[in-house]
Amino acid sequence: IAGITQAPTSQILAAGRRMTLRCTQDMRHNAMYWYRQDLGLGLRLIHYSNTAGTTGKGEVPDGYSVSRANTDDFPLTLASAVPSQTSVYFCASSIGARDTQYFGPGTRLTVL
Amino acid sequence: AQSVAQPEDQVNVAEGNPLTVKCTYSVSGNPYLFWYVQYPNRGLQFLLKYITGDNLVKGSYGFEAEFNKSQTSFHLKKPSALVSDSALYFCAVRDNTGKLIFGQGTTLQVKP
Repeated sequence: IAGITQAPTSQILAAGRRMTLRCTQDMRHNAMYWYRQDLGLGLRLIHYSNTAGTTGKGEVPDGYSVSRANTDDFPLTLASAVPSQTSVYFCASSIGARDTQYFGPGTRLTVL
Repeated sequence: AQSVAQPEDQVNVAEGNPLTVKCTYSVSGNPYLFWYVQYPNRGLQFLLKYITGDNLVKGSYGFEAEFNKSQTSFHLKKPSALVSDSALYFCAVRDNTGKLIFGQGTTLQVKP
């Protein structure tokens, strides 16, 4: 069982470019989440999805979009990357919206 | 508003000594509290949680946490630290919508 996988592992991106970070889970969890981790700020929620077909905004949603076409996949898209989006991005999932969250290995993104 | 504070950026302890990583919280209603650990270049791993019941919660890798309602604290503890416990530790509280709010993290350094 793989749990949660994220791709790519790392990426360097020119400002203004479009980028999609991929997240897949094989645990049949209903809820999925995207966080960014920045030094001294902990993890901040970008977007979430309580179930397939629904999404919601977290604490820092600007500049990001998500979709949840099925249970397993929850891609995060940066439509036009900016240097302030340089961060480590973590995907997480949980059985339900109020259950323990389990995290993927992360994607390190650098926007130049 | 719900919040979590980890007052120490770094905790240093000698191998074999007891360790404590501090966490205080602010939440309306009953708190749901979590501890996660992050090893270098890895995702977050769930350690333990408090939902209700016994104030002393036991988790993975010999860690435990003590819930103290009057002090609004949820400190992480281990009786005897290992060098391999060196990592970044996050405390989190679940807000009223089910979302996790993370502290800024505490680096634990265990020296031989």
